[in-house]
Amino acid sequence: GAVVSQHPSWVICKSGTSVKIECRSLDFQATTMFWYRQFPKQSLMLMATSNEGSKATYEQGVEKDKFLINHASLTLSTLTVTSAHPEDSSFYICSAMTGTGGSYEQYFGPGTRLTVT
Amino acid sequence: GENVEQHPSTLSVQEGDSAVIKCTYSDSASNYFPWYKQELGKRPQLIIDIRSNVGEKKDQRIAVTLNKTAKHFSLHITETQPEDSAVYFCAASTGSGGYQKVTFGTGTKLQVIP
Repeated sequence: GAVVSQHPSWVICKSGTSVKIECRSLDFQATTMFWYRQFPKQSLMLMATSNEGSKATYEQGVEKDKFLINHASLTLSTLTVTSAHPEDSSFYICSAMTGTGGSYEQYFGPGTRLTVT
Repeated sequence: GENVEQHPSTLSVQEGDSAVIKCTYSDSASNYFPWYKQELGKRPQLIIDIRSNVGEKKDQRIAVTLNKTAKHFSLHITETQPEDSAVYFCAASTGSGGYQKVTFGTGTKLQVIP
């Protein structure tokens, strides 16, 4: 149980175009999903916290107009990188939280490798 | 905000030896401390976690200790095997339910030498 999928697994796009990444919790409902960015050999940097039915909470330094997050249902959150530039090339990982009360766990998607040319 | 420091950044051990990774955190409100193992190009996998009301937790060869007073927690891997080689991340989480915020450490690259 507790499987999180992410699509696509990799994508190459041209500078100036937009890319949408989907994150789905396959066998549980996730009221909260997280989006991370990971550079090679570095840690996961939280970009935003996404709660179903409400606006995402962005971390300091993350442009909300550039990284659009939509949490339309309890099993789906999307991240759209708008007007992508080469510096946006990175490994994007989502995670979904499951649990109740004080007992909760976070499960990660397989990640999406974005390359902007 | 929360700041999580992790040491060492790299660790090499001989197969069969123990490995210890240490983390400190700054926010006393943090109440959940998971550890993740990430192999190259793959997603982080939760390997063990500990909550603020527990001082130690063990799962086979893996154990985690938490000292809330000192705000540090550690991962202990005994009888290391080559397949333990990976990057390990600690994390500290504040909040509850749908208002979690998880901050990751900088990672430790563990190499187990056969």
